[in-house]
Amino acid sequence: AQTVTQSQPEMSVQEAETVTLSCTYDTSESNYYLFWYKQPPSRQMILVIRQEAYKQQNATENRFSVNFQKAAKSFSLKISDSQLGDTAMYFCAFMKRTGNQFYFGTGTSLTVIP
Amino acid sequence: EPEVTQTPSHQVTQMGQEVILRCVPISNHLYFYWYRQILGQKVEFLVSFYNNEISEKSEIFDDQFSVERPDGSNFTLKIRSTKLEDSAMYFCASRGTGMNTEAFFGQGTRLTVV
Repeated sequence: AQTVTQSQPEMSVQEAETVTLSCTYDTSESNYYLFWYKQPPSRQMILVIRQEAYKQQNATENRFSVNFQKAAKSFSLKISDSQLGDTAMYFCAFMKRTGNQFYFGTGTSLTVIP
Repeated sequence: EPEVTQTPSHQVTQMGQEVILRCVPISNHLYFYWYRQILGQKVEFLVSFYNNEISEKSEIFDDQFSVERPDGSNFTLKIRSTKLEDSAMYFCASRGTGMNTEAFFGQGTRLTVV
């Protein structure tokens, strides 16, 4: 079975600062995908960033980057130059390469303080 | 930009009543999902649907639940006899195939069972 753990239920960061959200997962699969989804107050889930496990290079999308440590089964999200619009719930998710089900963590509520 | 559309945005129903939650996935997508999120908790997988049949389902998805793609565009979730504990936000998602692993989520339907 696949499990995803987010150990930080709530975090806050000052506007323009950098924050890192943690995620660990457990799987016996060797090929899989990892995702960070953002859920703002509007409730719609929006993909922030995606990482393929077979790629060693960490994914980057503008101010968002990940630190993917496959051996440690760790997948943290770094948000640089935090903006007020980054305030949201962030979910880490896992999907087997051969599967089609997403497994979500419990989420981290991030508040960006002006 | 293509999007997944869910209706209604909010549904209130009496315990024991049947409800149908509707979703219009992105038109060229082939995998469809229903997830639910009880207030303050993590997003939970209910069911995935591919090639006109259920491909995976969770233990939450019991005989009270069913899914259908009646006309090639809509994707519905039916709860036959609602219980108080069915109150949650229900998200529909769809994705393409192969390397295109991004799942697009709808804005959700908030179901309140009274």
